[in-house]
Amino acid sequence: AQRVTQPEKLLSVFKGAPVELKCNYSYSGSPELFWYVQYSRQRLQLLLRHISRESIKGFTADLNKGETSFHLKKPFAQEEDSAMYYCALSPGGATNKLIFGTGTLLAVQP
Amino acid sequence: EPEVTQTPSHQVTQMGQEVILHCVPISNHLYFYWYRQILGQKVEFLVSFYNNEISEKSEIFDDQFSVERPDGSNFTLKIRSTKLEDSAMYFCASLLISGTGSYTFGSGTRLTVV
Repeated sequence: AQRVTQPEKLLSVFKGAPVELKCNYSYSGSPELFWYVQYSRQRLQLLLRHISRESIKGFTADLNKGETSFHLKKPFAQEEDSAMYYCALSPGGATNKLIFGTGTLLAVQP
Repeated sequence: EPEVTQTPSHQVTQMGQEVILHCVPISNHLYFYWYRQILGQKVEFLVSFYNNEISEKSEIFDDQFSVERPDGSNFTLKIRSTKLEDSAMYFCASLLISGTGSYTFGSGTRLTVV
């Protein structure tokens, strides 16, 4: 079964603290993995994807196939990082559909 | 920056009525999608559309649902005989290049069935 699990509904940290948003996936093939972010009153937008191995707004995510994880990390959280974060998997194929996790609300306290 | 536009932002309808949700994808995108999010639950894939036909649909997307791209720009989701459990946020998305994951999402239509 194709599944994405984000175990934390809410993660609250203080400004300047490190952040790790957990994501585990279940997929038998080679998935493509993404992190999407939704800031308050804004639309879902792509934050980063595993294939590009980039850092966006200080966030990075490494695909660990052994642990089937794709955790999102940032060394020093900022208040403007407060948002809903969704991990998503694309099984590939012609449709490019996304399978989302339930999301984690990151709240960065001043 | 180009946007995916969804209208209306909020639709209230009586159970049993038909609703049509509207989306204008980015003009040069080739792949179109509908997703929904029931309050408190995950965003779920409904249907994908490419080359003027459905390329994949989920188990949720039964005969109650249909999609159309009537004029080459608008992309609509029709829900016939709405049920209370159809209440959700419905997101339209479009994609230019296969495999990039670089979806552009609309801001969603909140459907409330009463």
